[in-house]
Amino acid sequence: KAGVTQTPRYLIKTRGQQVTLSCSPISGHRSVSWYQQTPGQGLQFLFEYFSETQRNKGNFPGRFSGRQFSNSRSEMNVSTLELGDSALYLCASSAESEGYNYGYTFGSGTRLTVV
Amino acid sequence: DAKTTQPPSMDCAEGRAANLPCNHSTISGNEYVYWYRQIHSQGPQYIIHGLKNNETNEMASLIITEDRKSSTLILPHATLRDTAVYYCIVRVAFAGNNRKLIWGLGTSLAVNP
Repeated sequence: KAGVTQTPRYLIKTRGQQVTLSCSPISGHRSVSWYQQTPGQGLQFLFEYFSETQRNKGNFPGRFSGRQFSNSRSEMNVSTLELGDSALYLCASSAESEGYNYGYTFGSGTRLTVV
Repeated sequence: DAKTTQPPSMDCAEGRAANLPCNHSTISGNEYVYWYRQIHSQGPQYIIHGLKNNETNEMASLIITEDRKSSTLILPHATLRDTAVYYCIVRVAFAGNNRKLIWGLGTSLAVNP
């Protein structure tokens, strides 16, 4: 079956612009999480969505937002881009049943460069 | 929130076992230990996870100490393709049905020929 698909793969934006990244989870997975990865900070949790509801959020400013659609596809948006937003943005999906998480599958990420 | 501590880097000879340690001394009773690895510029790949019993799959073995404060990931016969950053993560359960994974900086494993 298809894995987690993130689009686009690479993106270059200028400061002050906004950007929308997309994530299509594995079919049947209703949980989607987003992470930011930079060389010095490692993976930083952004937020998690389950059945179209944000159920957890990391410590990022309000410029970072997301949503999930009824088909479990998710988007994240970053407004007023700053140079420090340059990073690899990773999406992970998972299946859950009665509180048991069956493990996270990650996409290949979107490499965002802000110039 | 439970955190993990891993050595920043390790070396291993090709064909030998790679033993990657992880400390998670503040882990609580219902928290799982997950291991992932990340090869350069790719998304992290799931390896194995466990609660308190030792686990084995086709990729690796996970040994969790009896007090659950530390664990070791074992790659029995390391190959050059196992060169990657290995992350040990504790699954934290929040109120209700919330979940998130706390990521450290991982161990950069270099498998040498």
